[in-house]
Amino acid sequence: DAGVTQSPTHLIKTRGQHVTLRCSPISGHKSVSWYQQVLGQGPQFIFQYYEKEERGRGNFPDRFSARQFPNYSSELNVNALLLGDSALYLCASSLVGGKNTEAFFGQGTRLTVV
Amino acid sequence: AQSVTQLDSQVPVFEEAPVELRCNYSSSVSVYLFWYVQYPNQGLQLLLKYLSGSTLVKGINGFEAEFNKSQTSFHLRKPSVHISDTAEYFCAVTQSGGGGFKTIFGAGTRLFVKA
Repeated sequence: DAGVTQSPTHLIKTRGQHVTLRCSPISGHKSVSWYQQVLGQGPQFIFQYYEKEERGRGNFPDRFSARQFPNYSSELNVNALLLGDSALYLCASSLVGGKNTEAFFGQGTRLTVV
Repeated sequence: AQSVTQLDSQVPVFEEAPVELRCNYSSSVSVYLFWYVQYPNQGLQLLLKYLSGSTLVKGINGFEAEFNKSQTSFHLRKPSVHISDTAEYFCAVTQSGGGGFKTIFGAGTRLFVKA
């Protein structure tokens, strides 16, 4: 069975550009969460989506947005990229949206902003 | 708001020695606690979780953790480590809100196992 898949694995962008990161959850999972992990730090929560609706949002600027599609895959969009947006972006899927549900993580997308 | 504090940023230990990675959390409500491991250039893998019931939780790869409500701690232990246990370990707590939830991670503890 396929785990959580993220694309692309690596990405280099220039300041001011826009980026779209993609995530396919484990088959049957309806909840997707996004995290930003800056080098040397723990993951920071960005968004949670469940049944195509936003259910949680972390302390990130409006430049960050996301959506979940009918097949439960998800996109994370970041506009007007800054150097500080360079990080590993992790997607996690879970069966349902409850807080006691185990999250399964993808291997992440490494974004470098130059 | 909930927070997670991992008390050690790095823990060096010799192979076959025991290890404890410390984690404290702050919360005024019931919590669900997790430990994840991250190998270089990889995503996170769940080691173990505490949802309810027995306070001693056993996970994969010989790890275990004990939930202590009075001390708001969830320390991770392994009686004998291997070189392959070298990785970054994250303690996490989930928090409800807006009909969903979010997971708050600690800053991580780098376990370095020496031969």
